[in-house]
This record gives sequence, structure tokens and C-alpha cells, in this order.
Amino acid sequence: QSLLTQPPSASGTPGQTVTISCSGSSSNIGSNTVNWYQQFPGTAPKLLIYKNNQRPSGVPDRFSGSKSGTSTSLAISGLQSEDEADYYCAAWDDSLNGPVFGGGTKLTVL
Amino acid sequence: EVQLVESGGDLVQSGGSLRLSCAASGFIFSSYNMNWVRQAPGKGLEWVAYINRVSDIIYYADSVKGRFTISRDNAKNSLFLEMNSLRTEDTAVYYCVRVRSSTTCSFDSWGQGTLVTVSS
Repeated sequence: QSLLTQPPSASGTPGQTVTISCSGSSSNIGSNTVNWYQQFPGTAPKLLIYKNNQRPSGVPDRFSGSKSGTSTSLAISGLQSEDEADYYCAAWDDSLNGPVFGGGTKLTVL
Repeated sequence: EVQLVESGGDLVQSGGSLRLSCAASGFIFSSYNMNWVRQAPGKGLEWVAYINRVSDIIYYADSVKGRFTISRDNAKNSLFLEMNSLRTEDTAVYYCVRVRSSTTCSFDSWGQGTLVTVSS
């Protein structure tokens, strides 16, 4: 069982805004910055958000991250069919001395 | 262009050993901390091991501690994962992953992965 809790699935229609949540604890999200990854089937994950709300170059500003206490969320605005993928949150865990991932959320664009 | 190319994945029996390699190019390998991350078939991501730029700080996930060894050769731009006493639950795609500068665990570059299958 993952130390970071995400809903297994989420969905939305094109153009909508979808939010994916991720809940942790004081040893991970509560005391460290959060990252989000996007993964398409059969491919390697891609860094989507780092340091809670920073986007690497090339990531559209439709993707945004936020953090409050021991929870974090990823928002995708103007949802597009190509956003259909798995999304993972991650953060360093001070107790484990290593990063922990959420279980992943499968986003479906209806 | 940053490239990470893993190799060494194979089918191995439980209790066996395997050595994974990762060839890095397109960046100054010695300037970056590196990790191995794995993904079991149909499952989520699991961090395996971390090594800093000069190999004097190394961390392992509890699930592999004492069985796996991460190492690097900066002169050859290569990262390695020595895996011993393999178990069926080690079956996964193993990714070589670069840590973005000025972060602790923002993984900004991933290899294509290499499949390790452990049979009973």
C-alpha cells in the first residue's frame, strides 16, 4: 500500500477542469516538495510538475499543482483527449530516506 | 539530447542474480544524482535506489536493501544495479532516472526501461 493516497480513477469531458488529489503525511508531503508524473501506456513516466507547482519547459500551463499541509493536487484545465494517461504524485519521505509514489490515477477523457 | 539507455534485463530464476546497466549521454553525467525506479506489470511506480554524484550517499528501498547494489562509473557515464537473491516480486520494468538539479527527487529524465522477469 502506497504512503501517498490517490484516487484510482478520474474522468472528465473535453474542455473541463479535472483535479487529482494526493494525500500523504508529515514525513513526506508535509515537509517536502511534491512532484507529479504523467505516464502513457507502454512508455516511461514524464515529469509534469516539480517543487509543488513548477512546470518543466514544454509542459503546457493547463497543468498546475498546489499543496496544502499534507495534501497536494494536480489540476488539468481545458481537458484534451491526449491527456488520457496515468498520473502519479511523489515526494521525498524523511522516515524512509527515499521518495514515495502515490498509487496512480488513471484519467479518462470521456 | 538527454538519453538514458538501460540494458541487462532478462528472465531469471528465483534466487538468481542480474546486473542492469544504464548508459547516459547528452549531459554531464557526473553532475547529476541518479536513481533506479521500477514498475511491476500493471502496477504503480516504486523507487528502488539512489546514488549521489560522487557515490558517497546511497539509499535503498527497504524491499531491496541487502540484496541490490547501486553504483556508477562517471568516467564511463554509466549507472548500474546489481541484483542478487531475486524474488518473483522483483519482476518489473526497471527505469534509470536522473534527478533534476537543485531538487531532491524530481525525476526529469527517464530511460525506456528494461524488463526483469523472475520465475519461480
